[in-house]
Amino acid sequence: GEDVEQSLFLSVREGDSSVINCTYTDSSSTYLYWYKQEPGAGLQLLTYIFSNMDMKQDQRLTVLLNKKDKHLSLRIADTQTGDSAIYFCAAKGWRDTGFQKLVFGTGTRLLVSP
Amino acid sequence: GAGVSQSPSNKVTEKGKDVELRCDPISGHTALYWYRQSLGQGLEFLIYFQGNSAPDKSGLPSDRFSAERTGGSVSTLTIQRTQQEDSAVYLCASSPGTSGTDTQYFGPGTRLTVL
Repeated sequence: GEDVEQSLFLSVREGDSSVINCTYTDSSSTYLYWYKQEPGAGLQLLTYIFSNMDMKQDQRLTVLLNKKDKHLSLRIADTQTGDSAIYFCAAKGWRDTGFQKLVFGTGTRLLVSP
Repeated sequence: GAGVSQSPSNKVTEKGKDVELRCDPISGHTALYWYRQSLGQGLEFLIYFQGNSAPDKSGLPSDRFSAERTGGSVSTLTIQRTQQEDSAVYLCASSPGTSGTDTQYFGPGTRLTVL
């Protein structure tokens, strides 16, 4: 089955760019997502990219997809202390049953220091 | 409500007791999902409901786990004879449907601690 992997921890200074990386194993994954989880809160969808795209930009967020290498990254420009959270990568494939299970990575804890 | 709500937010129980966790999805969302988030691990899919179809239970870790969804809305996840390894945050999500662009919206979770 699908396996999604992320590095566990990233530390940056305020104002720097953050890059969080993710790899997945199922080449048939059609949608790839980035979720943010703040302490005590549920997961908040940040952005997603369809597998026929290479890049998607949304304000300070840039998602890059290398489908050949099955590598996804999330770049946060001008990182702020409020960006400190756990970021989850998730992949969704297609089943003929119509149900598409989201497979999550272990999450990357981003710590932004002033 | 405006978002997915879950109750209780925290539950402490003794080993061997049964617990029930509740999820209220976003009104109108036909799909509902339960996940488990253990310390230091990602989210583990447990079960999925879509409309009146039979649920996909393929992620339930043992027969001590069960879930139901009444009237296509509220869902209850039941864990019988709880074990310490059941300690985790249980997250519920709902989505309008199951097409590729249907986003899953998550509740804040229930933190379960089994002593």
